[in-house]
Amino acid sequence: SQQGEEDPQALSIQEGENATMNCSYKTSINNLQWYRQNSGRGLVHLILIRSNEREKHSGRLRVTLDTSKKSSSLLITASRAADTASYFCATNFGNEKLTFGTGTRLTIIP
Amino acid sequence: DTEVTQTPKHLVMGMTNKKSLKCEQHMGHRAMYWYKQKAKKPPELMFVYSYEKLSINESVPSRFSPECPNSSLLNLHLHALQPEDSALYLCASSSIDRGLNEQYFGPGTRLTVT
Repeated sequence: SQQGEEDPQALSIQEGENATMNCSYKTSINNLQWYRQNSGRGLVHLILIRSNEREKHSGRLRVTLDTSKKSSSLLITASRAADTASYFCATNFGNEKLTFGTGTRLTIIP
Repeated sequence: DTEVTQTPKHLVMGMTNKKSLKCEQHMGHRAMYWYKQKAKKPPELMFVYSYEKLSINESVPSRFSPECPNSSLLNLHLHALQPEDSALYLCASSSIDRGLNEQYFGPGTRLTVT
């Protein structure tokens, strides 16, 4: 069963706007990761945030982690049509296993 | 080379067939994974190999048989599958030495069981 729940399930925004998606999880983690999946293809690792970090940036991506609330958010700024994809959070307990969230389907309208 | 390759890209097989999915990576990663993904769902972990040994089997039916011939290759042998096994099968690898488990995914094999 999936540990992470993501919301919204689907999000449509105009190109150039910012997109925010949220992930909640249930137990203590070692790190939390975000992945992107274009339709019917493999997942691409975007960013990893460790449990002792609160915020991390990578290009147009900003990730926050609140371990007290067991939640994380992914912000994509200045969205582009190429950002259209499904986004998954994944939690890791410091072992070999990742547990994926339910995912957010993001559509960027040109 | 940060690529994970999977073959074939598409596979159609009958319920009595035997086929294999192949995965290869040359990043020196010592952990490799098989996932199953249904449409509009997250990937579901099937198997994990760590240092070429099976370390996690998520109660997968025996009609799926994984094999790790060496540290770069991972196979998934398929036999007597059911139509509900139709899905995208993803392979991934990671360096487990750092304890972070960032995974690199292949493009997947789209399997259809008829």
